[in-house]
Amino acid sequence: GAVVSQHPSRVICKSGTSVKIECRSLDFQATTMFWYRQFPKQSLMLMATSNEGSKATYEQGVEKDKFLINHASLTLSTLTVTSAHPEDSSFYICSAPAGGMGNTIYFGEGSWLTVV
Amino acid sequence: AQRVTQPEKLLSVFKGAPVELKCNYSYSGSPELFWYVQYSRQRLQLLLRHISRESIKGFTADLNKGETSFHLKKPFAQEEDSAMYYCALKTGANNLFFGTGTRLTVIP
Repeated sequence: GAVVSQHPSRVICKSGTSVKIECRSLDFQATTMFWYRQFPKQSLMLMATSNEGSKATYEQGVEKDKFLINHASLTLSTLTVTSAHPEDSSFYICSAPAGGMGNTIYFGEGSWLTVV
Repeated sequence: AQRVTQPEKLLSVFKGAPVELKCNYSYSGSPELFWYVQYSRQRLQLLLRHISRESIKGFTADLNKGETSFHLKKPFAQEEDSAMYYCALKTGANNLFFGTGTRLTVIP
């Protein structure tokens, strides 16, 4: 089946630095990918929709300058948390639909970000 | 605006007992609903979708538009069913909006 992979699975960074998380579709092409954030014991919250070759679409309340999304190819989307603060510590998950609209959405394994 | 509600954060049942995880939704368009499951230390994976009208691992879910519900049911719970279950609503753009999840524990 289709696989979505995230890297790194865990990252610790210092406050004020930037950190990049990658999301790859391993055996299919994805013109669209989605980035979610999940706080402990809470649900997944959609942050933004990553669009290959164009700007990402951000959900209300998500700072686009803080959470930079780049979808440079049909198999890779990156989320960069800029000037990270401890409150950015969270579990970040990406997903991608295999086969375009109306098809199964596959999730990455998630990336734990801890800002110290 | 769309909304997915899972009223139970925790649900415990004995092995062999029936289980029902509740999900209600609010959406102005034509809903497409899913149940996702997350086993311990594993990624989210699709359990079933309403348009397929399928039974996966003994689970079924029927979309009730009148009650705006999509409850997940299984007649006889197994220990391996213990997991986190998320109800999700897909909008036209492939976005998934998730409920807060229900942690199911099946007691041996």
